[in-house]
Amino acid sequence: GAVVSQHPSRVICKSGTSVKIECRSLDFQATTMFWYRQFPKQSLMLMATSNEGSKATYEQGVEKDKFLINHASLTLSTLTVTSAHPEDSSFYICSAISRASSYEQYFGPGTRLTVT
Amino acid sequence: SQELEQSPQSLIVQEGKNLTINCTSSKTLYGLYWYKQKYGEGLIFLMMLQKGGEEKSHEKITAKLDEKKQQSSLHITASQPSHAGIYLCGADGAQKLVFGQGTRLTINP
Repeated sequence: GAVVSQHPSRVICKSGTSVKIECRSLDFQATTMFWYRQFPKQSLMLMATSNEGSKATYEQGVEKDKFLINHASLTLSTLTVTSAHPEDSSFYICSAISRASSYEQYFGPGTRLTVT
Repeated sequence: SQELEQSPQSLIVQEGKNLTINCTSSKTLYGLYWYKQKYGEGLIFLMMLQKGGEEKSHEKITAKLDEKKQQSSLHITASQPSHAGIYLCGADGAQKLVFGQGTRLTINP
């Protein structure tokens, strides 16, 4: 099946720094990628929808200036957490929709961010 | 590793009819999530169940977790076209989220 990778899988950063997380579709072209956030023992919450070549659409309550999303190609989307704070510590997961199959969603393995 | 199996894989019902989607886990569930996905859109969180026997409702959707915490069902009463989409159950696996394969629901007018 289709594979989505994320890098890094784990990152620890200091408060005030920025962190970039990459999401790649390895064997298919993804017209749309989604970014989710999961707090411990809580559900997956959609943060934003990223379409290749256009601005991301953010869900209500998600700060677009803090969580910068770039979808520069059909196989890569990046999420940059700017000026990270301890409350941004979370598990970030991306998913991608295959161009060939608009409703199949493939999930990345996630990135655990810890801000100290 | 934990696996989630959903049934049925697809479902076509007449508008106004009731329906049930099941999610069975290979291991005890400590947190079971139900999501809905409209075609081409991100997952929308519906409900989370944690305790054996727990039941939650939101509008016309009710989800239950059995006493043994290995099976959950999602029941929709008096279905409407807005209920159409893909329903996914999810759980916390050892190191990552685990999802069922999804149930594609079509509502015929």
